[in-house]
Amino acid sequence: NAGVTQTPKFQVLKTGQSMTLQCAQDMNHNSMYWYRQDPGMGLRLIYYSASEGTTDKGEVPNGYNVSRLNKREFSLRLESAAPSQTSVYFCASSEALHQGARSNTEAFFGQGTRLTVV
Amino acid sequence: DAKTTQPPSMDCAEGRAANLPCNHSTISGNEYVYWYRQIHSQGPQYIIHGLKNNETNEMASLIITEDRKSSTLILPHATLRDTAVYYCIVRVLSSNDYKLSFGAGTTVTVRA
Repeated sequence: NAGVTQTPKFQVLKTGQSMTLQCAQDMNHNSMYWYRQDPGMGLRLIYYSASEGTTDKGEVPNGYNVSRLNKREFSLRLESAAPSQTSVYFCASSEALHQGARSNTEAFFGQGTRLTVV
Repeated sequence: DAKTTQPPSMDCAEGRAANLPCNHSTISGNEYVYWYRQIHSQGPQYIIHGLKNNETNEMASLIITEDRKSSTLILPHATLRDTAVYYCIVRVLSSNDYKLSFGAGTTVTVRA
């Protein structure tokens, strides 16, 4: 059981280049998330997707786009990379809580993509 | 989601209990308290969550005050491998709210 898989693990981009970070989960979760973590800082939510076909902005969405391709996959795109986007990016997934029921709702995280923009 | 306040850092002796406090004075009745930890460079890992009753699992215990304005995560016998950043989060669990936001957390250092 792989859980949450992120690719690539490392990437170096030049300013202005574009790239897509891939994330896939095999736990049949409805909700997926993208975070960034700068050195010495906590995680900041970029975008999230409550379910297939829906996406919402988090705390720091500027400069990013997302696609919820299907239930398994949630990609993050940098159209024109900037040095300020140098960070570690984490993808996560969780099950949604059905109203009135308490299910296992903890989030599972990937191992991160370390992105450097020069 | 309600805001949480945690001390930025704390030390703990190996083999002793580590008690991590979290203040969430503006928590509302339908918000759960979650704890995660992040060991250096890895993705965060779920520890435990609760609504108003104390909870225990194989990793930790969660004590929530009766007024729910604060909670304490207890690692009963801290080991060097428990050195990590611990995040306390409160979130609504409903079919209309899926947002999951992290604060700065508490950096816990377990010393031999």
